[in-house]
Amino acid sequence: AQTVTQSQPEMSVQEAETVTLSCTYDTSENNYYLFWYKQPPSRQMILVIRQEAYKQQNATENRFSVNFQKAAKSFSLKISDSQLGDTAMYFCAFMKKENNDMRFGAGTRLTVKP
Amino acid sequence: DVKVTQSSRYLVKRTGEKVFLECVQDMDHENMFWYRQDPGLGLRLIYFSYDVKMKEKGDIPEGYSVSREKKERFSLILESASTNQTSMYLCASSPATSGVFRQPQHFGDGTRLSIL
Repeated sequence: AQTVTQSQPEMSVQEAETVTLSCTYDTSENNYYLFWYKQPPSRQMILVIRQEAYKQQNATENRFSVNFQKAAKSFSLKISDSQLGDTAMYFCAFMKKENNDMRFGAGTRLTVKP
Repeated sequence: DVKVTQSSRYLVKRTGEKVFLECVQDMDHENMFWYRQDPGLGLRLIYFSYDVKMKEKGDIPEGYSVSREKKERFSLILESASTNQTSMYLCASSPATSGVFRQPQHFGDGTRLSIL
């Protein structure tokens, strides 16, 4: 079974600064997808960014980017120019290519301070 | 716009009751999922379904069952509710994998269930 580990239960960052959230995973699969989801206080999950394992180039979505290290099984999320609206729980998730069975990490609570 | 609707945002039930949590999606998705979310544990998969009348156990199926009689509706059933089933329950859906780009799941708003 695949496991996803987020080792930082809570983090904080000053507004306009950069923060990196870590995620590691364990799998014997070679083809898979990785995701970062955001869950604001309103509770609905929102997809932030996704990465396909066969692509070496790191995904970027505006202020959000990932550092995908396949050999190390690491998938960190970098948030640049942090905004107050970035305050949320962030979940890292893993999905095998052949099905939609997704596994989540325990989450990191990020607080952006003014 | 995609929509996953869970019938209740908050629900309070008593120990031993049979509890139904309903989820409906309007995107004609084949796959539907039920998760529970607990602090420090993230999301854990209870059951998922790839098609009507099909179901697969997730990580923590004990104490739960599911029903998928129609494509758009996926129900989670607590056969005899217990206090350790107090949690936030999230439903999600996604399209089938074959022949299409695998989109990540779309989530409902969640149901906060308290068992007294």
